[in-house]
Amino acid sequence: RKEVEQDPGPFNVPEGATVAFNCTYSNSASQSFFWYRQDCRKEPKLLMSVYSSGNEDGRFTAQLNRASQYISLLIRDSKLSDSATYLCVVPSGYSTLTFGKGTMLLVSP
Amino acid sequence: DAGVIQSPRHEVTEMGQEVTLRCKPISGHDYLFWYRQTMMRGLELLIYFNNNVPIDDSGMPEDRFSAKMPNASFSTLKIQPSEPRDSAVYFCASRPRGGARTDTQYFGPGTRLTVL
Repeated sequence: RKEVEQDPGPFNVPEGATVAFNCTYSNSASQSFFWYRQDCRKEPKLLMSVYSSGNEDGRFTAQLNRASQYISLLIRDSKLSDSATYLCVVPSGYSTLTFGKGTMLLVSP
Repeated sequence: DAGVIQSPRHEVTEMGQEVTLRCKPISGHDYLFWYRQTMMRGLELLIYFNNNVPIDDSGMPEDRFSAKMPNASFSTLKIQPSEPRDSAVYFCASRPRGGARTDTQYFGPGTRLTVL
């Protein structure tokens, strides 16, 4: 299994829809995880951290399944501004992170 | 507060030329990371520094790549000679000192490099 694996998409959804992405990871010792968001031709920015079973921030919910080694990101009531690439991120060392290649989301009117 | 600053934002050069990318981390951050992003390989860590000291350069593709951090507020990534396959977006990121390894990394806007 690759270190961090994501479906590249794109996921095409209408405004107001609920969409979910999954990410699988290989390092069973990882304790914390992140979702970063990257807009087209911009830098990645932290969206959410996932330290235990899950985390919720407004319309965004991240969940962790340690037994199956996957992380999910759920976006409710999608907005046009949610269109971006979502990167799943797993610590790969004491100070380093491994980034997935990302899942592209396109929200249409 | 200023974020991570990178220059140049765009660089177009010819094969064989030397390229130098620059980064100024966020003040007070002790860790600095250099990444390369391509469609094929995604975001890859090239090298990182802690307190200006290179800790892990195992991601540097080959000897044509070198990185330095002469002080806490400046780092360079140099490619000499450059090749077309080096074309990518190069990001610099910094992170605060200590704490858990879970501390957030803050990315600069990137340098888009094209080698003809």
